[in-house]
Amino acid sequence: AQSVAQPEDQVNVAEGNPLTVKCTYSVSGNPYLFWYVQYPNRGLQFLLKYITGDNLVKGSYGFEAEFNKSQTSFHLKKPSALVSDSALYFCAVSNTGNQFYFGTGTSLTVIP
Amino acid sequence: SQTIHQWPATLVQPVGSPLSLECTVEGTSNPNLYWYRQAAGRGLQLLFYSVGIGQISSEVPQNLSASRPQDRQFILSSKKLLLSDSGFYLCAWSLGGGTDTQYFGPGTRLTVL
Repeated sequence: AQSVAQPEDQVNVAEGNPLTVKCTYSVSGNPYLFWYVQYPNRGLQFLLKYITGDNLVKGSYGFEAEFNKSQTSFHLKKPSALVSDSALYFCAVSNTGNQFYFGTGTSLTVIP
Repeated sequence: SQTIHQWPATLVQPVGSPLSLECTVEGTSNPNLYWYRQAAGRGLQLLFYSVGIGQISSEVPQNLSASRPQDRQFILSSKKLLLSDSGFYLCAWSLGGGTDTQYFGPGTRLTVL
């Protein structure tokens, strides 16, 4: 069965510091991994995805994520956090089927 | 470019009343379409997905149904709403299956009283 775990319900980071939002996955076959961001009362916005190739994926708004097959992880990172990055972040995994499996989300707060 | 619309944006309905939420996609043909529910601002639950007109797959047995009367139109319905149907309903589209990015609409906030 496919699943995603986001072990941290809440992450707080000071503005200007690097941020990491963790994600681990379980999937049969090759994983396709995605990160989304959600602002209050809005839909999810796509940030980046890993399908194949380079393990470091760069996405929107300065975010990047590193695929680690041995640790089955796909952590989201940003070198310098902005207050405007405060939002809810979702990791998702799929395989060749039609379904995405989303994590429960991590609330990121960037403290000025 | 592609855009996805949902309406209404917010809805307050009494228990036992019917429901119809609409989602439309512009700028693409034969998209995969999805309905999700997000409860308490957290995890997303896939309710239905469709790979073509009239083709609906239901993921969770519940009080809701979905229809796809046109290629780019996806409707979520209920004959009688329950309190537990309250939540944030999100529609999404993709070009294909699991390798393709899903793009989400702005959502509908449903409150059942």
